[in-house]
Amino acid sequence: GAVVSQHPSRVICKSGTSVKIECRSLDFQATTMFWYRQFPKQSLMLMATSNEGSKATYEQGVEKDKFLINHASLTLSTLTVASAHPEDSSFYICSARARAERGYTFGSGTRLTVV
Amino acid sequence: DQQVKQNSPSLSVQEGRISILNCDYTNSMFDYFLWYKKYPAEGPTFLISISSIKDKNEDGRFTVFLNKSAKHLSLHIVPSQPGDSAVYFCAASAGGAGSYQLTFGKGTKLSVIP
Repeated sequence: GAVVSQHPSRVICKSGTSVKIECRSLDFQATTMFWYRQFPKQSLMLMATSNEGSKATYEQGVEKDKFLINHASLTLSTLTVASAHPEDSSFYICSARARAERGYTFGSGTRLTVV
Repeated sequence: DQQVKQNSPSLSVQEGRISILNCDYTNSMFDYFLWYKKYPAEGPTFLISISSIKDKNEDGRFTVFLNKSAKHLSLHIVPSQPGDSAVYFCAASAGGAGSYQLTFGKGTKLSVIP
């Protein structure tokens, strides 16, 4: 089945540093990937849609200068949290659209803690 | 404005019995619905989906029912197993299976008691 690999699974960084999260589709080409954020006991909130070869589409309220998304190829999208602050601490998850009948495949998520 | 609602934050069921997880939606444009299962610190795993042209879809122990007039869907798990203990998210999209934007509910934590 479709597999999406997300790395790293956990990262702790100091306030003011930048963190890059990678999302790879391993056995299919994903022209579109999605980035979500989940706060404790909350729903998955779509942050942005990442399109290969073009600029990402951000949801309302998401700072594009803070959450930099690059979709370099049909199998790789990256999310960079620029100048991270403690309020950016969260669980970030990517997903990619595979076969429509099977829905969307999600990565394993990245737990970001900014200290 | 929460367009997809899972009003029960948690549910406990005895092993072997039926688990019923409910989901309500408000956007009449939604026409494709999905259920995901999520363990702590992991990404969601797709379980089952249903198109609005159907009212039932079954896959093994999992069955999803859709009541369009009530804007309600439910996930039935029977028989429930301890390994089913997880958070279940209901998601919806408008524009069919090919649409890319999913709207999620807040999830229901299912605990299956051995």
